[in-house]
Amino acid sequence: GAVVSQHPSRVICKSGTSVKIECRSLDFQATTMFWYRQFPKQSLMLMATSNEGSKATYEQGVEKDKFLINHASLTLSTLTVTSAHPEDSSFYICSAHPGTGVYTQYFGPGTRLTVL
Amino acid sequence: DAKTTQPTSMDCAEGRAANLPCNHSTISGNEYVYWYRQIHSQGPQYIIHGLKNNETNEMASLIITEDRKSSTLILPHATLRDTAVYYCIVRVGGGAQKLVFGQGTRLTINP
Repeated sequence: GAVVSQHPSRVICKSGTSVKIECRSLDFQATTMFWYRQFPKQSLMLMATSNEGSKATYEQGVEKDKFLINHASLTLSTLTVTSAHPEDSSFYICSAHPGTGVYTQYFGPGTRLTVL
Repeated sequence: DAKTTQPTSMDCAEGRAANLPCNHSTISGNEYVYWYRQIHSQGPQYIIHGLKNNETNEMASLIITEDRKSSTLILPHATLRDTAVYYCIVRVGGGAQKLVFGQGTRLTINP
């Protein structure tokens, strides 16, 4: 149990286009989801915390107008990278938390974004 | 959340126990020690967590010193598939709290 999927697993796009990444909790409802970004040979950096039905909370330095997060249901959160540029190329990972009483988050497999 | 310090890299022979240390000297009384690992190009995987008692599960054991200022993750019989970056994270309990990842320890299991 406790599976989180991401789609797509890999995407290549042209500079200036927008890319949407989906994060789904397959067998549980996630009250909270998190979005991370990881550059090569670096650690994961938290971008934002997403609660179902409310606005996401962004970490300092993360542009909320560039990285649009929508958590419209208890099983789906989306991250849209708007007007992507080569410096946005990265590994994007989501995690999901089922709710009270559960001590850990479950991570998705990640999405590799390459902006040409 | 308290800061953690881990060695940058470690090597271990296949079949031997891998002992990964973590220092968290500023840990406060309500903070837990969590361990995650990340195999190359995958999302992190939860391993184990503890507050002050030693913990064991099917993946690993967690030994926390009495003063809680350091801990050791033990993989009892390391396999090649255990090659990964291991992250020690200290934070208040509750899975909905955000995780702050440090640089972790890159563990290489050698045949």
